[in-house]
Amino acid sequence: DVKVTQSSRYLVKRTGEKVFLECVQDMDHENMFWYRQDPGLGLRLIYFSYDVKMKEKGDIPEGYSVSREKKERFSLILESASTNQTSMYLCASSSTALGAGTYEQYFGPGTRLTVT
Amino acid sequence: LAKTTQPISMDSYEGQEVNITCSHNNIATNDYITWYQQFPSQGPRFIIQGYKTKVTNEVASLFIPADRKSSTLSLPRVSLSDTAVYYCLAGEDTGFQKLVFGTGTRLLVSP
Repeated sequence: DVKVTQSSRYLVKRTGEKVFLECVQDMDHENMFWYRQDPGLGLRLIYFSYDVKMKEKGDIPEGYSVSREKKERFSLILESASTNQTSMYLCASSSTALGAGTYEQYFGPGTRLTVT
Repeated sequence: LAKTTQPISMDSYEGQEVNITCSHNNIATNDYITWYQQFPSQGPRFIIQGYKTKVTNEVASLFIPADRKSSTLSLPRVSLSDTAVYYCLAGEDTGFQKLVFGTGTRLLVSP
């Protein structure tokens, strides 16, 4: 079974702090993604990566950065946390080897971040 | 990526068949239709994907008419554990498999 793990289930940080959210997958997937999920807004893509050291902006990249130094690990960084970044953060991974038309992404359990 | 529209919520009882319809009027020729399921405090989980006609797996069936402007996820004989949010997505596999999730349909199954 594919396993995607996230460093914390719950995190509380203060405004202005630098925050690191870590995600690790164990299936040698090429693609990794960071989403945030807010009530009434569904999931929104922040950043994704299709290879080591490669990254692409998603729909809401402002206030975030990412790092992918190893294939299995994808980090989301909040440079200076703000209260409007309080949210559920979900990491996902997928393989390009599955062929055209395959949208099977594997999600981690999520990190609920509260910024006070 | 085609915009999708689905009901905000649905209610059902154990043992019933549930059909959730999704509208995607602007679906493109290369777009696939995919459904995910999300339980509280968990990440979404892939359920099923299709291009046209009917696809069935151990969890659900997906019906897609010839014009592909809508699709229906069918859950046979639901149980309490099927209470979840169901997301319909439509988009092309660009190689990066970028997904766009809407707000989904919240299904509540009661005894």
